[in-house]
Amino acid sequence: AQSVSQHNHHVILSEAASLELGCNYSYGGTVNLFWYVQYPGQHLQLLLKYFSGDPLVKGIKGFEAEFIKSKFSFNLRKPSVQWSDTAEYFCAVGTNAGKSTFGDGTTLTVKP
Amino acid sequence: EAGVAQSPRYKIIEKRQSVAFWCNPISGHATLYWYQQILGQGPKLLIQFQNNGVVDDSQLPKDRFSAERLKGVDSTLKIQPAKLEDSAVYLCASSLPGHYEQYFGPGTRLTVT
Repeated sequence: AQSVSQHNHHVILSEAASLELGCNYSYGGTVNLFWYVQYPGQHLQLLLKYFSGDPLVKGIKGFEAEFIKSKFSFNLRKPSVQWSDTAEYFCAVGTNAGKSTFGDGTTLTVKP
Repeated sequence: EAGVAQSPRYKIIEKRQSVAFWCNPISGHATLYWYQQILGQGPKLLIQFQNNGVVDDSQLPKDRFSAERLKGVDSTLKIQPAKLEDSAVYLCASSLPGHYEQYFGPGTRLTVT
């Protein structure tokens, strides 16, 4: 069975600071990796995904994530956060059967 | 394109009562998922449908939870009888065949008192 660990439960940053949210997973097979975001009052939506190929993937709103297979990691990054990035971020690992396992999320608060 | 629809948005019941949640996925999305999200945790998969067949229900507490997707479109999740620990947000998501990214509905927030 797969599992996902998100290291930071709550991150507080000032605007323009750089962001890195950690995500580690365990699974013995081929994985598909995702970051989802939930903005206040909105539902979960896809931020970016990795299936294969270039391990550095870019998503919406300037976010990117790097898949490091040897470390079983898929960390999310953004060079300069904005107040509007305040949200909860979930890392998820999916199997080729379509089943996804989610981490417990990281709440990001960006101070203006 | 219309998103995933869920109803009701909020429900408060007493323990031992029954409750049902409804989900209508995005048109053409053959795969439908029900998740339970307890406060402070990530979504936990309860059941996955492919059209009207069950793909994975290994984490569904079958003594009290049931789900159906009779015509391969909309789906209903039922809890009977509810327990206090069932208080959570119940999320429905859907995806296209062969695609793995999921589209989520707004969820139903259930409070069991």
